[in-house]
Amino acid sequence: EDQVTQSPEALRLQEGESSSLNCSYTVSGLRGLFWYRQDPGKGPEFLFTLYSAGEEKEKERLKATLTKKESFLHITAPKPEDSATYLCAVQAGTNDYKLSFGAGTTVTVRA
Amino acid sequence: NAGVTQTPKFRVLKTGQSMTLLCAQDMNHEYMYWYRQDPGMGLRLIHYSVGEGTTAKGEVPDGYNVSRLKKQNFLLGLESAAPSQTSVYFCASQVTGTGRYIQYFGAGTRLSVL
Repeated sequence: EDQVTQSPEALRLQEGESSSLNCSYTVSGLRGLFWYRQDPGKGPEFLFTLYSAGEEKEKERLKATLTKKESFLHITAPKPEDSATYLCAVQAGTNDYKLSFGAGTTVTVRA
Repeated sequence: NAGVTQTPKFRVLKTGQSMTLLCAQDMNHEYMYWYRQDPGMGLRLIHYSVGEGTTAKGEVPDGYNVSRLKKQNFLLGLESAAPSQTSVYFCASQVTGTGRYIQYFGAGTRLSVL
C-alpha cells in the first residue's frame, strides 16, 4: 500500500524567512509526485508534478525537488499570500488514475 | 472556462436523509473522482470513474453510490446519511493518454449530518 507522510503538520514563518516542507513516500514504482496548494474553504490547486529523482520545478517563491524517498517544497522569502495548506500526493504502480495523498502541511506566514 | 463545478456548496442533513452531490467538468476529461477530506487524514478516494458508464470503488466507498451517465457529470449519492459522513467532499477530473496525470479539483461541498 502506498504511504505518504508530510512534515511538519504546521509551520509558522515570518515574512522573508525561508523554509522547507517534507513529503516522504513509500510506493512501488513511482509514476509521479504531485504538490497542491489548498486555501481555506477551497479545493486543491495544482502546483507541480515531479516524475524522476533529481528533477526540480520552480514557480515564483516555490521550488520542488525529488529524491527516491522524499520530496521537498522549498519556500524562499515567503509572503503572507503564501499562507495555505500544501498537499503532497503520489501516483504509483501500473495505474494511471489513483493518487495517494498526505495529510498536508499548513503554512502561516506573518507580516 | 469553469473547470470542475460542484453543487451544492453547503448542505446540512439529518441522520437517515438522502442527497445527491453533482460534479460537472467542461474539460472533456475521461477520469473523474470523488474524495472526502477530514481533519488530519488527507484526501481519501470514495469512488472513481474511468469513462462514461463506468464506476469503481475507492478507498472508503461504504455508504456512498455513484453514477456517470454522461461524460461530463459524476454524481455522488448518500442513501441514508450518518454523522460519520460529515466531511468536505471534493470532485476531481483527470485527462488521460498524455502521460500527465494531473487531477483538477472543484471547490468542494461541505456536508454536515446531524
